[in-house]
Amino acid sequence: SQQGEEDPQALSIQEGENATMNCSYKTSINNLQWYRQNSGRGLVHLILIRSNEREKHSGRLRVTLDTSKKSSSLLITASRAADTASYFCATDAENNNDMRFGAGTRLTVKP
Amino acid sequence: DAGVIQSPRHEVTEMGQEVTLRCKPISGHDYLFWYRQTMMRGLELLIYFNNNVPIDDSGMPEDRFSAKMPNASFSTLKIQPSEPRDSAVYFCASRPGGRSEQYFGPGTRLTVT
Repeated sequence: SQQGEEDPQALSIQEGENATMNCSYKTSINNLQWYRQNSGRGLVHLILIRSNEREKHSGRLRVTLDTSKKSSSLLITASRAADTASYFCATDAENNNDMRFGAGTRLTVKP
Repeated sequence: DAGVIQSPRHEVTEMGQEVTLRCKPISGHDYLFWYRQTMMRGLELLIYFNNNVPIDDSGMPEDRFSAKMPNASFSTLKIQPSEPRDSAVYFCASRPGGRSEQYFGPGTRLTVT
C-alpha cells in the first residue's frame, strides 16, 4: 500500500520558474526520500532527509520536513526543461526495512 | 558498476503463458526489492529480500506470482499463468545494508495479451 501522497498530481511551469511539490504520509518515519523518474526509466534517488532534520539542500533542490504535520516539500529552483519528470516521495518507516512510495507528481517544464 | 540489470526490457506474451523476469543487483547490496508500476495503482512493492532470504512478500498479488533469489547476484520474478491484468512495468531495486537509498533497474515492460 502507498504511504506517501504527493500533491499536486501534475504541475506545468515555464523554464526558470520554481517548482514545489508536496508529500504527506501517515506513520512515523525514519527518513523521507525523493526520487525522480524520467519517462520509460527507473527511479533515481535525489535526496534523503532524516526525521530529525527540518531542511536539506542539494544543488537546486531544497527539501523540508515537518514531522508534526507528517509532510514534506520538494522545491526545484530555476527549473530547466530537463527537470521534466515524475517525482515521488518515499518513506522509510520505523521498524521496517522496506519503503513505500506515493503516486508521484508529474512535472512539465516548458522551454 | 553497471547498476541494477534487468532482463528482458520488454516482454509480450499471451494470457496463460509463464513469464520470468530477471534481476542482477549491484554487487555488495544486501537488499533486493521487486516493484510493479501501473497507472492505476502506482508503484507497488511486491517482495523484498535480505541476504537472499525473502523478508516480506505481502505485496505479492496472488499465488500466480513467485520470486526467488538463489544467490546474491540473481533474482527472478515468475508469473504463472499470466493474465492481461499483470501488464505493467516491473522494477527491481537494490540497496546496501545500513543505507536507505535504493538503486533501481531500468524495468521490464510486460504486456499480456
